[in-house]
Amino acid sequence: GAVVSQHPSWVICKSGTSVKIECRSLDFQATTMFWYRQFPKQSLMLMATSNEGSKATYEQGVEKDKFLINHASLTLSTLTVTSAHPEDSSFYICSASWGVSTDTQYFGPGTRLTVL
Amino acid sequence: KQEVTQIPAALSVPEGENLVLNCSFTDSAIYNLQWFRQDPGKGLTSLLLIQSSQREQTSGRLNASLDKSSGRSTLYIAASQPGDSATYLCAALTTSGTYKYIFGTGTRLKVLA
Repeated sequence: GAVVSQHPSWVICKSGTSVKIECRSLDFQATTMFWYRQFPKQSLMLMATSNEGSKATYEQGVEKDKFLINHASLTLSTLTVTSAHPEDSSFYICSASWGVSTDTQYFGPGTRLTVL
Repeated sequence: KQEVTQIPAALSVPEGENLVLNCSFTDSAIYNLQWFRQDPGKGLTSLLLIQSSQREQTSGRLNASLDKSSGRSTLYIAASQPGDSATYLCAALTTSGTYKYIFGTGTRLKVLA
């Protein structure tokens, strides 16, 4: 089946630094990738949708300049949390689909970010 | 605005019981509804996906039903096992505006040996 990986699986950083999280589709070309955030004991919230080669579409309330998303190839999307603060500590999960938004999404294993 | 709610929030049952997890959504304009399993600190495992035109899907001991008109879906787990212990999430792919998954609040299931 379709496999999506994320790197790193966990990261701890100091407040004010930037952190990059990678999402890769290993065995298929992902036209569309999605980034979700999950706070402890809460559900997943969609942050943004990215299509290969174009700018990401952010959900209401998500700061574009803080959460930089790049989908430069059909197998890689990156999420950069700029100037991270403790309130950005969360579980970040990506998903990928090979076509439009209605196609099956395959989820990555998630990245645990802790900002000290 | 689509809202997805799951009841109960937590459930603890003895091994072998059949159980039902509930998911309700406020906007019936959905493309599909999907049930996921999430183990602590891990990502999502897709269990069942029901298209809007379907009424139910089955996989092994799992059966999911969908009633769009009433805005409800249920996940039925037969003969529960300790290995079923996890958080179960439902997600509705909304068609109002852009297509996107709206996730429910989850049901934390614990099956006691």
